[in-house]
Amino acid sequence: QSALTQPPSASGSPGQSVTISCTGTSSDVGGYDYVSWYQQHPGKAPKLMIYEVSKRPSGVPDRFSGSKSGNSASLTVSGLQAEDEADYYCSSYAGSNTFVFGTGTKVTVL
Amino acid sequence: QLQLQESGPGLVKPSETLSLTCTVSGGSISSSSYYWGWIRQPPGKGLEWIGSIYYNGNTYYNPSLKSRVTISVDTSKTQFSLNLSSVTAADTAVYYCARRGDGYNGRAFDIWGQGTMVSVSS
Repeated sequence: QSALTQPPSASGSPGQSVTISCTGTSSDVGGYDYVSWYQQHPGKAPKLMIYEVSKRPSGVPDRFSGSKSGNSASLTVSGLQAEDEADYYCSSYAGSNTFVFGTGTKVTVL
Repeated sequence: QLQLQESGPGLVKPSETLSLTCTVSGGSISSSSYYWGWIRQPPGKGLEWIGSIYYNGNTYYNPSLKSRVTISVDTSKTQFSLNLSSVTAADTAVYYCARRGDGYNGRAFDIWGQGTMVSVSS
């Protein structure tokens, strides 16, 4: 069970969009539609932003969207705002009630 | 509103057992719709899923930690606990407890505790 691969960093100017990739295998991302995304600000606990690939929990702005193709998933943040600057982690169900997280991506708002 | 709170020693000696408890308040730990899990984050690094438990005691562990991990639940106290044996400096991390939905409720970690830092040092 290896960590899912994410780019270490991504950036964009306010109002722009940024997309973060999350690459796994057919045993996790590619095998199930249970990819979730978490936002983590420094010193804080992660916050669920997307679940089941593209669903948003109540209270999460619709600027956040998710998708999946094959063994890779993506999170897009549209209309970037200063408060979106944070670390983002993907996670996938990996069968038999096990889970794997991504390596994490630091998003910078320029 | 459901809340989770981790508690336990902030310092553990090498080769000893790390023990943490997560107290669930504002809701039931016996819901059939949710599992209860532990996730950790070494300083400056990413998240690692440790394992989960169902209210009936069924457990599921990260294969890389399985030989050292035990998770248990006490529904009467609305608590679940983590024991990690034979710790080394590599186990130094912030440990989070979290709730996650079952297959009908997203299979995602939707509620998290604030986290507790555990250092392994003599």
